[in-house]
Amino acid sequence: QVQLVQSGAEVKNPGASVKLACKASGYTFTSYSLYWVRQAPGQGLEWVGMIDPNRGSASYAQKFQARVTMTRDSSTSTVYMELSSLRSDDTAVYYCARKLPNNYSNSWYWFDPWGQGTLVTVSS
Amino acid sequence: DIQMTQSPPSLSASAGDRVTITCRASQSINNYLNWYQQKPGKAPKLLIYAASSLQSGVPSRFSGSGSGRDFTLTITSLQPEDFATYYCQHSYSISPTFGQGTQVEIK
Repeated sequence: QVQLVQSGAEVKNPGASVKLACKASGYTFTSYSLYWVRQAPGQGLEWVGMIDPNRGSASYAQKFQARVTMTRDSSTSTVYMELSSLRSDDTAVYYCARKLPNNYSNSWYWFDPWGQGTLVTVSS
Repeated sequence: DIQMTQSPPSLSASAGDRVTITCRASQSINNYLNWYQQKPGKAPKLLIYAASSLQSGVPSRFSGSGSGRDFTLTITSLQPEDFATYYCQHSYSISPTFGQGTQVEIK
């Protein structure tokens, strides 16, 4: 079955960086873009960025543009999200999600499935 | 960015009730609107895509409607497992935004 499995929880000091992993299985890895969405405690959902595993190209929300990098490893069907200069308000659960349908349109899409989420806690 | 406004922020309902949640976009988004259900400690789950298409495996008591700026998620005959938070999300551009969520609680 189609599945996204994310790496485990992280605790980081302010100013540090964190690199999260999202391993895909059950489908052709390079055929679907993957999005990253975060959710602060008790809050709503916020888009961080996306990566096209086929081309390796990424697009980021303007808010995170200077601090985020998304990469992929096609040999292991894994995408990574690295967020630097962490602040306390980066404390959140970070989800990866597969974008459907299978095309390169930048509109008319939805997310299914989602990974289980990775909690990142930023605290001194 | 396109803003998505959901209402109400929360509601209390009983099992068997009909529930309606609305989502308004700050501009027309055609039918590029999706709905998700999220339970505590879990990832969001896709319910409805393209405004009115039911995701495979989702019970038929869930339905979506609307186009342009105004959209509705309806749950007919609310079941105990439906108590959760519901989010709308536009896909009009590469940068999606989500509504702030509607928490459906047990009355």
